[in-house]
Amino acid sequence: NAGVTQTPKFRVLKTGQSMTLLCAQDMNHEYMYWYRQDPGMGLRLIHYSVGEGTTAKGEVPDGYNVSRLKKQNFLLGLESAAPSQTSVYFCASSHRPWTPVLQETQYFGPGTRLLVL
Amino acid sequence: GQNIDQPTEMTATEGAIVQINCTYQTSGFNGLFWYQQHAGEAPTFLSYNVLDGLEEKGRFSSFLSRSKGYSYLLLKELQMKDSASYLCAVREGYPNAGNNRKLIWGLGTSLAVNP
Repeated sequence: NAGVTQTPKFRVLKTGQSMTLLCAQDMNHEYMYWYRQDPGMGLRLIHYSVGEGTTAKGEVPDGYNVSRLKKQNFLLGLESAAPSQTSVYFCASSHRPWTPVLQETQYFGPGTRLLVL
Repeated sequence: GQNIDQPTEMTATEGAIVQINCTYQTSGFNGLFWYQQHAGEAPTFLSYNVLDGLEEKGRFSSFLSRSKGYSYLLLKELQMKDSASYLCAVREGYPNAGNNRKLIWGLGTSLAVNP
């Protein structure tokens, strides 16, 4: 199993350009997440999905859109990139636990480093 | 409000034992996670505590006291490869609760292991 993969690994954008980050998982996980990680800010949740065709906002959703058309894929879009979106983006996935107390471990992809000039 | 506190940096010597503390203030509690993150890499899962007490996994152990809002990660027989950032994260609500999907993350403790 490849686990969680992300493409691209690194990208440079100019302000105003758009792009899509792709996350794919082969673990048949129901839940998928997009985070950004910035120095001094920790991991912050952008959007998440609890199943195919469903998405929800996290802590910092502004400027991003997501889609989950297939269970294994979760796309993060930047419609008009801004320098404030320079960050490392991590995708994660997890199983839906079948009891409330069962741990739900999130497995992370290798990250996408995005620089917006 | 929600808050997780961890020391920013720690230094230890190869072969020694180090304890990384995490205190949390959240409106609910349904589990605490420890992740390891090497520089330039993704976080990887280390341990999970939902009940009070100690969970041991090889050289790593994690402790939880829910009444004190406190956890620690204990690393024994330190190796150079243990140099990394250690992230504490708390889940407030039940995993299947609709709106409460997120983990609350600490900023991480950067551990440097010296020869």
